[in-house]
Amino acid sequence: DAGVTQSPTHLIKTRGQHVTLRCSPISGHKSVSWYQQVLGQGPQFIFQYYEKEERGRGNFPDRFSARQFPNYSSELNVNALLLGDSALYLCASSLTISTDTQYFGPGTRLTVL
Amino acid sequence: RKEVEQDPGPFNVPEGATVAFNCTYSNSASQSFFWYRQDCRKEPKLLMSVYSSGNEDGRFTAQLNRASQYISLLIRDSKLSDSATYLCVVNMANDYKLSFGAGTTVTVRA
Repeated sequence: DAGVTQSPTHLIKTRGQHVTLRCSPISGHKSVSWYQQVLGQGPQFIFQYYEKEERGRGNFPDRFSARQFPNYSSELNVNALLLGDSALYLCASSLTISTDTQYFGPGTRLTVL
Repeated sequence: RKEVEQDPGPFNVPEGATVAFNCTYSNSASQSFFWYRQDCRKEPKLLMSVYSSGNEDGRFTAQLNRASQYISLLIRDSKLSDSATYLCVVNMANDYKLSFGAGTTVTVRA
């Protein structure tokens, strides 16, 4: 079975631009979570979606938004990019809303210049 | 205070050595505990869950001390392939997020 997939793998943007990151969960998984990992730190929770509804939000500004589609794939959108948004963005999929086992995708590495 | 704190290391050990490190968590309501492994520029991968009674998976042993709010990981007979960053992760009951520590870097040398 395919694991969690994310696209693109790398992205370079300039300050003020917006970006859309995409994630496809493991087949049969209905929950998708997004994390931001800045170099040298552990991943920080951004959002969780389950059955197309937002079920949790971390301490991130409103410039960050996300959605989940009927096929359970998800998009993370970031507007008005700042230099500090440069990070590895990780998508994690789980069978249900429970976090017992989350499987991470390879991530999208975003660089903001 | 951070939710999860870890000694960043690095722990530099020879092959065959035993290495152990801890992490502490601040929220006594935390219910689930994990160790994830992350290789350089890769995604985190679940290494093992940590149970109250302690558990072992091959050369890896995890312990949980709820009273002192710390979790430990011990690696026996270290292999070169054990070189990675080990992330301590906690989760509260009925919560939707995983809280990660910043990671402990282990380098095993030949």
